[in-house]
Amino acid sequence: AQSVTQLDSQVPVFEEAPVELRCNYSSSVSVYLFWYVQYPNQGLQLLLKYLSGSTLVESINGFEAEFNKSQTSFHLRKPSVHISDTAEYFCAVSDHPGRRALTFGSGTRLQVQP
Amino acid sequence: DAGVIQSPRHEVTEMGQEVTLRCKPISGHDYLFWYRQTMMRGLELLIYFNNNVPIDDSGMPEDRFSAKMPNASFSTLKIQPSEPRDSAVYFCASSHQGYQPQHFGDGTRLSIL
Repeated sequence: AQSVTQLDSQVPVFEEAPVELRCNYSSSVSVYLFWYVQYPNQGLQLLLKYLSGSTLVESINGFEAEFNKSQTSFHLRKPSVHISDTAEYFCAVSDHPGRRALTFGSGTRLQVQP
Repeated sequence: DAGVIQSPRHEVTEMGQEVTLRCKPISGHDYLFWYRQTMMRGLELLIYFNNNVPIDDSGMPEDRFSAKMPNASFSTLKIQPSEPRDSAVYFCASSHQGYQPQHFGDGTRLSIL
C-alpha cells in the first residue's frame, strides 16, 4: 500500500527567504507524484506534477520539485517566497499502473511572515 | 472551461437527516473522485468512478454512505442517516484518463449537529 509522509506540519518563514517542504513516499510500484496547494475555504489546486521524464519539475509561480527515486522523495522548493504563498501544501501519489486515486500526505502549512 | 462544480457549498443539518452532496465534473473527464477532509484523518478517498461505473469504494465508511453517477456530468454522495462524526469538507475531483492531474471543486463543508 502507498503512503505519503510530510514531516513538517507547519513551516514559518520570512518573506523573500527560501523554503523547502519535504515529502517522502512509499510504494511497491512506479508512481506519479503531485503537489497541490489549498488556500482557505477553497479546493485543492495543482501546483506541479511528475509523471515521467525530467526529475526536476517547475511551476509557473516559481516552485520546483525534484523526484528522487533512490530516496523516495519529492521535496518542494522555492528560492524566494511571498506573502501570497501562505497556504496548505499537500504532496500526493498515485500508482502507475494501478489505482488512479490519490493518496495524500497530511499537509504542510506554509506561513510567510513579513 | 468551467471547473468542477459542487453544491451546496455549506450544509448544516441535524443528526439523522439525509444529506445529498452534488458534483458536476469537467466536461470530457472520464474519472470522478469523492474525497473527505477532516482534521483528524486528512484527505481520504471515499470512492471513484470511471465512465460512470464505481471502481473503488473501499474508502466509503459504512452503509450509511452511498454514491451514484447516473451520467457523465453528474454525481451524488448521500449520507443517510447522518451523524456528527460525518462533519467534514467533502471534495469532488475529476480527471481525464485517471493519471492526469485531478481537478478539484471548492468542496462542501458539512456540519451535522
